Amino acid sequence: GAVVSQHPSWVICKSGTSVKIECRSLDFQATTMFWYRQFPKQSLMLMATSNEGSKATYEQGVEKDKFLINHASLTLSTLTVTSAHPEDSSFYICSARRTSAVTGELFFGEGSRLTVL
Amino acid sequence: GENVEQHPSTLSVQEGDSAVIKCTYSDSASNYFPWYKQELGKGPQLIIDIRSNVGEKKDQRIAVTLNKTAKHFSLHITETQPEDSAVYFCASPAGDSSYKLIFGSGTRLLVRP
Repeated sequence: GAVVSQHPSWVICKSGTSVKIECRSLDFQATTMFWYRQFPKQSLMLMATSNEGSKATYEQGVEKDKFLINHASLTLSTLTVTSAHPEDSSFYICSARRTSAVTGELFFGEGSRLTVL
Repeated sequence: GENVEQHPSTLSVQEGDSAVIKCTYSDSASNYFPWYKQELGKGPQLIIDIRSNVGEKKDQRIAVTLNKTAKHFSLHITETQPEDSAVYFCASPAGDSSYKLIFGSGTRLLVRP
């Protein structure tokens, strides 16, 4: 199967600090990964598309300087929430598309719950 | 761009009964329709998907049907079990060749023992 791992699964931080979340495709290469944000009892909101070796593409309304994305290898994308504030508290989920896939099948990580105090 | 609407938002069924969740999409060029199951505190898990060249796909108790003319697709769960209780999301490609998926609003399924 296609496994996507996220780390950490949960993190608590103080306001003003930065938090990095990692998304790894464990058994396949992923040129493209996606980052989502999910509030309680709501659907997944796409934040950005992470492309290996190039800049991420952000959705409208998502601050690229707030949510830094780096996709340095075919198996790893990172999301850094900079100068975190309580309103950044949320469930962050990544997904990865297998490079060799011909359709849009995506595999999701287990999510990372961020709590900013 | 693609718009996906999902109904119902909540669904409660008795164990053993069937559950049906329906999604409509707007982009007639969409060709891939996955369904995801999300349990509390976890990421979504792909449970079944269908491509536009077929009208139905089945995997044990789960099936998905696609009506391209009406632009809707449905998830069917038969012989429901308590462990089927979760939130289910449909999705459809964004239509801009980016491989992005646009998700429905989700259906909270409760299977009563």
